[in-house]
Amino acid sequence: DADVTQTPRNRITKTGKRIMLECSQTKGHDRMYWYRQDPGLGLRLIYYSFDVKDINKGEISDGYSVSRQAQAKFSLSLESAIPNQTALYFCATSEGQGRHEQFFGPGTRLTVL
Amino acid sequence: AQSVTQLDSQVPVFEEAPVELRCNYSSSVSVYLFWYVQYPNQGLQLLLKYLSGSTLVKGINGFEAEFNKSQTSFHLRKPSVHISDTAEYFCAVNYIGGTSYGKLTFGQGTILTVHP
Repeated sequence: DADVTQTPRNRITKTGKRIMLECSQTKGHDRMYWYRQDPGLGLRLIYYSFDVKDINKGEISDGYSVSRQAQAKFSLSLESAIPNQTALYFCATSEGQGRHEQFFGPGTRLTVL
Repeated sequence: AQSVTQLDSQVPVFEEAPVELRCNYSSSVSVYLFWYVQYPNQGLQLLLKYLSGSTLVKGINGFEAEFNKSQTSFHLRKPSVHISDTAEYFCAVNYIGGTSYGKLTFGQGTILTVHP
C-alpha cells in the first residue's frame, strides 16, 4: 500500500462548487503539506501543518482552506471553486526537521469548468 | 523573496549522451538542496539531496549533483541517459533558519526527453 494516498485522483467540478481533496499517510510523519502544480511554475505551497494543532498559510493560500483531522489526515478545501484553480494538487509529508525529504502522494487532477 | 531557478524548461537529448540540468537559488544563506523526479502521471520522488559535507552528491539511477556555494548552484548530471530517464525534474531548496525553514521552494521544472 502507498504511504501517502490522495482522494479523489481526478475530479471535474463546476465554478462555485465546494470541493474537498483528502490526503492520508501511514508514514507517521508530523508534517504535512499541500501544493499545486501548474505547467512552467513548478510546485507552489498552499498550506502546511507541522503538527495537528499547527496550520500555516503558504505562498498561495487565497481561495483555499485546510483541516488537519489527525496526524495522518490533512484535507484541502476549495470553498467556491473557480477555473484558475484547475491544476494538479499534491499532498506531501516529512519528518520533523527541514533536512528531511518530503514524500509525495500521487496527486489529484482537478478541473474547474 | 527567496527563489529557485531552473535555467532550462526543456532538455532534449539522445540516449547514452550525458546531460546536465541546471539549478540556481537566490540566497547565500545556508541551505538544504534536493532534486526530485516526476514520471508521467506520478507524484514526485527524491533523486538525491545535499545536507552537508562533500559537495558532490550521488543519487539513484546514476544521477549526481554538485553543490557550489559561491555560485549558489546545484546542477544535476548523468553521464549516460536512458529512455527511461524521460521525466520532469525539479530542484528544491530548504533555506535554513527564519520563516522559510522546514518548507521547500521549488524551481519551475525541467522536462528531460531522451530520444532513441
